[in-house]
Amino acid sequence: SQQGEEDPQALSIQEGENATMNCSYKTSINNLQWYRQNSGRGLVHLILIRSNEREKHSGRLRVTLDTSKKSSSLLITASRAADTASYFCATDKAAGNKLTFGGGTRVLVKP
Amino acid sequence: GAGVSQTPSNKVTEKGKYVELRCDPISGHTALYWYRQSLGQGPEFLIYFQGTGAADDSGLPNDRFFAVRPEGSVSTLKIQRTERGDSAVYLCASSPWVGSPYNEQFFGPGTRLTVL
Repeated sequence: SQQGEEDPQALSIQEGENATMNCSYKTSINNLQWYRQNSGRGLVHLILIRSNEREKHSGRLRVTLDTSKKSSSLLITASRAADTASYFCATDKAAGNKLTFGGGTRVLVKP
Repeated sequence: GAGVSQTPSNKVTEKGKYVELRCDPISGHTALYWYRQSLGQGPEFLIYFQGTGAADDSGLPNDRFFAVRPEGSVSTLKIQRTERGDSAVYLCASSPWVGSPYNEQFFGPGTRLTVL
């Protein structure tokens, strides 16, 4: 079963615009991670945020975590056509444990 | 190799047949995970190994599914009496060591299984 939901399910933007997607989860977590998937195959790890952190940055990515609301957001700034992909959040309850994924947000960046 | 590899990349089989899917993790990674992803959905956990032993197999849907990792490196996911509902992309991931407070998992490209 999926841990949570992602919103929106699909997003279409112009190159250069920002893309924001949200993830909600149901139970307490240890870490929350964001992954990108192209063409329905392997996932690429983007960023990890621990439960005691509120915000992290990595290049054009900004992730926030609000454990009181059990939600996270991923912001991609100055989007590029190459950012077109599906984005998934994933949570774990303890280090080394299984990841529980959301349903994903499909992002289309139009050139 | 540099990353996680999975073979075959595609497998087409007939209902009722037996299939084996192979995963080669990143060298030295002690934890290995199997996930299954249906079209339009996020990956769902099947089983994970610490070394040679299955630490959590709670995601295996039924007893037709079995996985092994006999030497603590390569893993094989085995599906008996395949059903059309088993059609999905099967993803393997590995991570460096279970004791780390971080849990970044490195994914392979997946095996797309189609059961006719």
